[in-house]
Amino acid sequence: GQSLEQPSEVTAVEGAIVQINCTYQTSGFYGLSWYQQHDGGAPTFLSYNALDGLEETGRFSSFLSRSDSYGYLLLQELQMKDSASYFCAVRASSGAGSYQLTFGKGTKLSVIP
Amino acid sequence: ETGVTQTPRHLVMGMTNKKSLKCEQHLGHNAMYWYKQSAKKPLELMFVYNFKEQTENNSVPSRFSPECPNSSHLFLHLHTLQPEDSALYLCASSSRLANSYEQYFGPGTRLTVT
Repeated sequence: GQSLEQPSEVTAVEGAIVQINCTYQTSGFYGLSWYQQHDGGAPTFLSYNALDGLEETGRFSSFLSRSDSYGYLLLQELQMKDSASYFCAVRASSGAGSYQLTFGKGTKLSVIP
Repeated sequence: ETGVTQTPRHLVMGMTNKKSLKCEQHLGHNAMYWYKQSAKKPLELMFVYNFKEQTENNSVPSRFSPECPNSSHLFLHLHTLQPEDSALYLCASSSRLANSYEQYFGPGTRLTVT
């Protein structure tokens, strides 16, 4: 099976930088996705890393180290609207050519003025 | 708007009722998913459909019965549920199964079982 660990809560100041870490244990690993979910909203895809290194998309960046079974989401120039829950999700083979996403419990980010 | 709609948005049902949740995607995707989201727990994958064929059933109790008549529509039929089944039920789609890393979610149905 798969297991993921990420902090349950993080608080950061508007305009600052915050890093949300995710460690995982899995077999048949293919990659790590990140999703954002505002209260009462649907999860929204942010990024996906299949290879080691940093992927940058605007203010958000995501990093993966396959050898360390570790990744992080980096949010820069924080805005109040970034207050949301952030989920890491492992994409792994579940056999028979199927690739499941297994989600972590999520990190609730609070951005304060 | 993600292109995935779900109805109803809220549902209250008794343990002896039968109801159905509906999901429709307007993205031309071929893979669809049902998830359960409970407080303090990670999203739990329930079912996966690829080209309207079920490919995954993650040990979901038989009181949950999925149906996928075509690649755009997904249903979750509910009967004799338990109070612990109260949760947010999310539908998602991806362009194909191999692109499961990028899923588009609907707004969910908030289910309360009394």
